[in-house]
Amino acid sequence: NAGVTQTPKFRVLKTGQSMTLLCAQDMNHEYMYWYRQDPGMGLRLIHYSVGEGTTAKGEVPDGYNVSRLKKQNFLLGLESAAPSQTSVYFCASSWLAASEQFFGPGTRLTVL
Amino acid sequence: GEDVEQSLFLSVREGDSSVINCTYTDSSSTYLYWYKQEPGAGLQLLTYIFSNMDMKQDQRLTVLLNKKDKHLSLRIADTQTGDSAIYFCAERAGANNLFFGTGTRLTVIP
Repeated sequence: NAGVTQTPKFRVLKTGQSMTLLCAQDMNHEYMYWYRQDPGMGLRLIHYSVGEGTTAKGEVPDGYNVSRLKKQNFLLGLESAAPSQTSVYFCASSWLAASEQFFGPGTRLTVL
Repeated sequence: GEDVEQSLFLSVREGDSSVINCTYTDSSSTYLYWYKQEPGAGLQLLTYIFSNMDMKQDQRLTVLLNKKDKHLSLRIADTQTGDSAIYFCAERAGANNLFFGTGTRLTVIP
């Protein structure tokens, strides 16, 4: 089992460009999450999904959109990147809401 | 969001005990967690404690919870160089939200 994988690992964007981060899990988990990690701050929840076809806003959803068309994939989109979105993005999945969350290795995004 | 605070840095000598502290604000938290993040990697769950427990021990790890003071600590006995990492505490507040602290960077000096 690969667990939780994220692509790409690194990306540099110019302000205003768009991109999609892909998260995939092979553990048949219902719940999937997108977090961002910034220096001196803990992880903050951007969006999450409680099952295929569902999405919900987390703590810092502005400027991001997500989709969960397939159970194993959770996509995070930036329509018009801003320098404030420079961060490390982590995807996680869990079987239930209260279950252990398994994290991917992260995507380091820089917006110039 | 909820406020979860940790000191940013801790240095200990190899073989000593490490104690990483965390304070949180939500008295209705059901679970509290400790995660470890090694360089360039995602977070890995180390241990967790249910809010009606005071202490949990798991090999070299001891978690203490003072619910009255909303204080959580992680003690690592016989700290090794492989324990060098960033340690995050997190509280579960609500059904789907985990709120993370800022992380404590533990450096183990050989």
